[in-house]
Amino acid sequence: AQKVTQAQTEISVVEKEDVTLDCVYETRDTTYYLFWYKQPPSGELVFLIRRNSFDEQNEISGRYSWNFQKSTSSFNFTITASQVVDSAVYFCALSEGHQAGTALIFGKGTTLSVSS
Amino acid sequence: NAGVTQTPKFRVLKTGQSMTLLCAQDMNHEYMYWYRQDPGMGLRLIHYSVGEGTTAKGEVPDGYNVSRLKKQNFLLGLESAAPSQTSVYFCASSYGQGTSPLHFGNGTRLTVT
Repeated sequence: AQKVTQAQTEISVVEKEDVTLDCVYETRDTTYYLFWYKQPPSGELVFLIRRNSFDEQNEISGRYSWNFQKSTSSFNFTITASQVVDSAVYFCALSEGHQAGTALIFGKGTTLSVSS
Repeated sequence: NAGVTQTPKFRVLKTGQSMTLLCAQDMNHEYMYWYRQDPGMGLRLIHYSVGEGTTAKGEVPDGYNVSRLKKQNFLLGLESAAPSQTSVYFCASSYGQGTSPLHFGNGTRLTVT
């Protein structure tokens, strides 16, 4: 069975600090997809990134970067020079994409609070 | 394009009452999902559909029923609401099964008293 663990329930940082959100996943499949979503205080869910199990390249998008390591089953998310607007709940999710009818399984989320 | 639209946005029910949440998407997506979000629990999958006329159970299906009579609509029904069903409900759709990002609606906040 697939599982996603986000051990950090809440993180508080001061603006301009770097912060890393951890995500550890479990799956028995060799083909799977990992996602990160952001949920700001307004409540909507915003897609940030998708990574498939065959692509271990790290990804950088502006202040955001993602580190995918199959050896440790982790897909961590780093925000560099955090800003108040980064305050949100961040969800990591996993899908065993090759199976018919699969859906995303989400972790419990990490609440990030960035203060000025 | 509206994307994924959920109605209503808020609802208060009394225990035992029934209601239907409507989800509509205009992206011609095959796959649709209903999740519930509770504090400290993340998002949990209730039911999903891989195409018109199909439905399947997710992680927490008890107490809910769904229907997908039209490709663009996915209905979530509560036949006899219970306080444990107080939650925020999110509908989502996607182009591909498990491989594509989900497009979420803005959620429905349901309170059962």
